[in-house]
Amino acid sequence: AQKVTQAQTEISVVEKEDVTLDCVYETRDTTYYLFWYKQPPSGELVFLIRRNSFDEQNEISGRYSWNFQKSTSSFNFTITASQVVDSAVYFCALSEQNAGNMLTFGGGTRLMVKP
Amino acid sequence: GAGVSQTPSNKVTEKGKYVELRCDPISGHTALYWYRQSLGQGPEFLIYFQGTGAADDSGLPNDRFFAVRPEGSVSTLKIQRTERGDSAVYLCASSPALTSPASGGKNEQYFGPGTRLTVT
Repeated sequence: AQKVTQAQTEISVVEKEDVTLDCVYETRDTTYYLFWYKQPPSGELVFLIRRNSFDEQNEISGRYSWNFQKSTSSFNFTITASQVVDSAVYFCALSEQNAGNMLTFGGGTRLMVKP
Repeated sequence: GAGVSQTPSNKVTEKGKYVELRCDPISGHTALYWYRQSLGQGPEFLIYFQGTGAADDSGLPNDRFFAVRPEGSVSTLKIQRTERGDSAVYLCASSPALTSPASGGKNEQYFGPGTRLTVT
């Protein structure tokens, strides 16, 4: 069965600091997809990124970067030069190609960026 | 374009009553998903539709929960004999046709704002 663990329940940083959110996953499928979603105080989940299991290239998008390491089953998310608007709950999620694409979410990490 | 919409945004009901929650997916998205999010937790899968049929309902907690998508677009989640433990935010998501990303398809799910259900 698939499982996603986000060990950090809450992180607090000061604006402009870099912060990394950890995500560890478990799956028996050889083809799977990893996602990060942002849930701001308004409550709506916002899609950030999808990574395919067959593509281990890391990705950078502006201040966001993602580090996918199959060897350690991790898919960590780094925000560089954090801003107050980054304050939200961030969820890592996994879907398996053989399991109908349903998402299994981690418990989320609440990020608080203070001015 | 328009995103996923859900109605109502809030629903308060008494224990034992029946409720219906509606989801309107992004136009053209064939896959539709329902999740439930309890306070302080990540969303949990309930059911998903590919077109009109329920392709996987393994996440429905019991037979009080049922969902339909009769025309392959709008979906309704129905809860009978509500219990206080049903209180949560019910999220709907849609995604394009399940073409494998290995073939260049996109399977990311786009979520609606949710319906907050409170059972008193």
